[in-house]
Amino acid sequence: NAGVTQTPKFQVLKTGQSMTLQCAQDMNHEYMSWYRQDPGMGLRLIHYSVGAGITDQGEVPNGYNVSRSTTEDFPLRLLSAAPSQTSVYFCASTRRNLDEQFFGPGTRLTVL
Amino acid sequence: GQQVMQIPQYQHVQEGEDFTTYCNSSTTLSNIQWYKQRPGGHPVFLIQLVKSGEVKKQKRLTFQFGEAKKNSSLHITATQTTDVGTYFCAASGYALNFGKGTSLLVTP
Repeated sequence: NAGVTQTPKFQVLKTGQSMTLQCAQDMNHEYMSWYRQDPGMGLRLIHYSVGAGITDQGEVPNGYNVSRSTTEDFPLRLLSAAPSQTSVYFCASTRRNLDEQFFGPGTRLTVL
Repeated sequence: GQQVMQIPQYQHVQEGEDFTTYCNSSTTLSNIQWYKQRPGGHPVFLIQLVKSGEVKKQKRLTFQFGEAKKNSSLHITATQTTDVGTYFCAASGYALNFGKGTSLLVTP
């Protein structure tokens, strides 16, 4: 099993550009989440999904969209990138509620 | 969501010294998870505590869950350079509500 994979590993955007961060898992996990990590702020939840077709907002959802058309994939879309979205983004999945979470390697995003 | 506060933010120890990080919540937690993140890496699950007063050990690491299920701690005995990283507690549900973490630096 590859576990949780994320692409790209690094990305530089200009303000106003849009892009999609990809996340996939091959463990047949129902729950998937996106977090951003900023220095001194820990990891903050952006969006999460409890199954295909079901998504919900986390702590910091503004400026991001998600969809979950399959169990395996959970892409994160930046609609119009802003410098405040410069961060490291982690995708995670878990088999069920209250279970351990498995994290992808992260995407380091810089918005100029 | 449930807010968890973690202290200290940073800790610098000499190799062989002990280390403790504390996690506190204003509300009762259903459970708590601990993760370790090495520099440049991603969070990796260490353990989950569920029961009031629970104590679990993993080699030199001891995890405790408070009697009221509002606090938790991670204690490392005789730190090693391999313990370097950031330790996070997280209240779990559909997703995780993380504390801000404690960054541990170990000097040989």
